[in-house]
Amino acid sequence: GEDVEQSLFLSVREGDSSVINCTYTDSSSTYLYWYKQEPGAGLQLLTYIFSNMDMKQDQRLTVLLNKKDKHLSLRIADTQTGDSAIYFCAESISDYKLSFGAGTTVTVRA
Amino acid sequence: DAMVIQNPRYQVTQFGKPVTLSCSQTLNHNVMYWYQQKSSQAPKLLFHYYDKDFNNEADTPDNFQSRRPNTSFCFLDIRSPGLGDAAMYLCATSRDRGPYNEQFFGPGTRLTVL
Repeated sequence: GEDVEQSLFLSVREGDSSVINCTYTDSSSTYLYWYKQEPGAGLQLLTYIFSNMDMKQDQRLTVLLNKKDKHLSLRIADTQTGDSAIYFCAESISDYKLSFGAGTTVTVRA
Repeated sequence: DAMVIQNPRYQVTQFGKPVTLSCSQTLNHNVMYWYQQKSSQAPKLLFHYYDKDFNNEADTPDNFQSRRPNTSFCFLDIRSPGLGDAAMYLCATSRDRGPYNEQFFGPGTRLTVL
C-alpha cells in the first residue's frame, strides 16, 4: 500500500475554499510538500512545510501540519477555475527520495 | 526558459521491443531522477544520478537501465518492455541532494506497450 495516502477526488464550487487532506507514515520526514500537476504538464512544487512548523500561509494557500497524527492538509481559499488540477502530497524520506501520494484530482465547478 | 524537456511525449512500443526515453534539462542541475507513474498511483522513483553516480532503487527491475552521458541529458532504457511497464515516465532534476532542494519535473512520456 501507499506510504502517503490522500483522497482521489474533490469537487468544489468556484469561490469556495478547497481542503485537500493527506496522511503520511514517516515520522522522521523533515519536509512535506504539495505539488500541483496541470493537464499536459509536469508536477510543479506548490508549497512545502518544514516539520517543526504547524502552519504555513502563502497568499491563498494554507498548509497545516499535525505531526502527532501525521496529517497534512492544503487549503486553497477562493478557489478559481485555474486551480483545477491534480494535487500530490509528498514527504521527504531520505536526502534525495520523496514518497508521493496518488494525487487528488480537484475539479472546480462554476 | 530553463526547463526539463522529455521526448517523446507519447511512445508506443511492442512487447519485448527495447525502447529509450529521453530527458534533457537547461537548469544545469546536478541531480536527475526517473519516476514511473501508473494510472491513479503515486510516482515511484526508479533511480537517480548524482552527477555521474548512478543510484538504483532496490525494487527497480533489472529491465530498467539509465544513462547520463553529460549534465544535460539522461536516458531511460527499457530492455524488454512488458505490458506491466505501460505507464507515465517522469524525469525530474534538482540542484543538489537534500530535501530542501526543489525537484523540477518534466511533462512526462506516456508509454504504451502493445
